Amino acid sequence: GESVGLHLPTLSVQEGDNSIINCAYSNSASDYFIWYKQESGKGPQFIIDIRSNMDKRQGQRVTVLLNKTVKHLSLQIAATQPGDSAVYFCAENSGSYNTDKLIFGTGTRLQVFP
Amino acid sequence: NAGVTQTPKFQVLKTGQSMTLQCAQDMNHEYMSWYRQDPGMGLRLIHYSVGAGITDQGEVPNGYNVSRSTTEDFPLRLLSAAPSQTSVYFCASSYSLPGTGNTIYFGEGSWLTVV
Repeated sequence: GESVGLHLPTLSVQEGDNSIINCAYSNSASDYFIWYKQESGKGPQFIIDIRSNMDKRQGQRVTVLLNKTVKHLSLQIAATQPGDSAVYFCAENSGSYNTDKLIFGTGTRLQVFP
Repeated sequence: NAGVTQTPKFQVLKTGQSMTLQCAQDMNHEYMSWYRQDPGMGLRLIHYSVGAGITDQGEVPNGYNVSRSTTEDFPLRLLSAAPSQTSVYFCASSYSLPGTGNTIYFGEGSWLTVV
């Protein structure tokens, strides 16, 4: 069946270091991927997205990399700050035949320490 | 611009009671959806709507009803609450289908406990 999962449930990084959060997906037909950030007690917030015709996309301090060969997605956060502490989710559109639904991964908690 | 507004934020129900979680958005979005979030699990889609008068089931629809009489509102009804429905519920909306690149906006969540 379809699944979107994360390799590490918790990631601890020092302030100023770069963070890398990974995600594996199983549906090779998925063509759209999104990263969300969820702070404690709040709803998920869009960070960045990428389509399957790209392998890299950059935003402000964030970069998403897509490796379709191994069905792997990663989120890189440069110069991690305390405000980046949150749970990060990846999501896929479960294949182009069913673009009205998103499948979310279980999430990775990012902890930033001074 | 309020975005996506959910009420109530916290609710405790007894088993067998019914209630409605309210969701409203002021962005004129066609697509609205409800997710539940349980510890150690990702968001799971309950029901969604692609426009007023149109609803469909998501991944975990049992025990929930929805309706979409207006573009702005998308209430979620728990027919007969069960402890398994203890969860955090998120309403979300987007201009169009989320899988096509339209950003989804989430509400702040509704914490529901069924005892």
